[in-house]
Amino acid sequence: EVQLVESGGGLVKPGGSLRLSCAASGFTFRTYTMNWVRQAPGKGLEWVSYISTSGSYLYYADSVKGRFTISRDNAKNSLYLEMTSLRAEDTAVYYCARVLAEMATIGNFDYWGQGTLVTVSS
Amino acid sequence: IVLTQSPGTLSLSPGERATLSCRASQSVGSSYLGWYQQKPGQAPRLLIYGASSRASGIPDRFSGSGSGTDFSLTISRLEPEDFAVYYCQQYGTSFWTFGQGTKVEIK
Repeated sequence: EVQLVESGGGLVKPGGSLRLSCAASGFTFRTYTMNWVRQAPGKGLEWVSYISTSGSYLYYADSVKGRFTISRDNAKNSLYLEMTSLRAEDTAVYYCARVLAEMATIGNFDYWGQGTLVTVSS
Repeated sequence: IVLTQSPGTLSLSPGERATLSCRASQSVGSSYLGWYQQKPGQAPRLLIYGASSRASGIPDRFSGSGSGTDFSLTISRLEPEDFAVYYCQQYGTSFWTFGQGTKVEIK
């Protein structure tokens, strides 16, 4: 069974940092492109970041570029999101999501984690 | 690319047909047009990919269609578990964009 389990969320002050993790199981993690998507309370979905299977290609939404860093450790079946210079508007549930097809560069997201809440507040 | 979903809220009864619209601000390929269902407190669930292909395990009462700038999701007969928020998603120059969502509520 495919599982994605996020962790690392919590309360952080504006300007602070946080590292999110996503533990993957039930599939060959190294062969799937991964993404982070967030959802502010009561709002819609916002794509945050993308990482290719090898970690060579990284893309970010303009809203987080220069502040967030996506990475992966295929040996540990894990995806990460390093978040710095956090702002109130970064408050959201953060989901990791798998791209639909194995070895696909691009694709819709067929599996999502349950999400981890990040709250940025003083 | 901006995706505009309409209506914002759809009030229907179980058994009725639901048609949700997703309009793109410019013509987009249909290869990566997706639809998701989200219930309160849950992660989104992929329903449709490539504009018209049902994801694994999705009942055939869900169907997707469209091309260019206009796409739609149809639920042929609403079941009680279908009342939720639905999002469309498209890949473009800004990478991934989601629509603002359509809430399907019980009338």
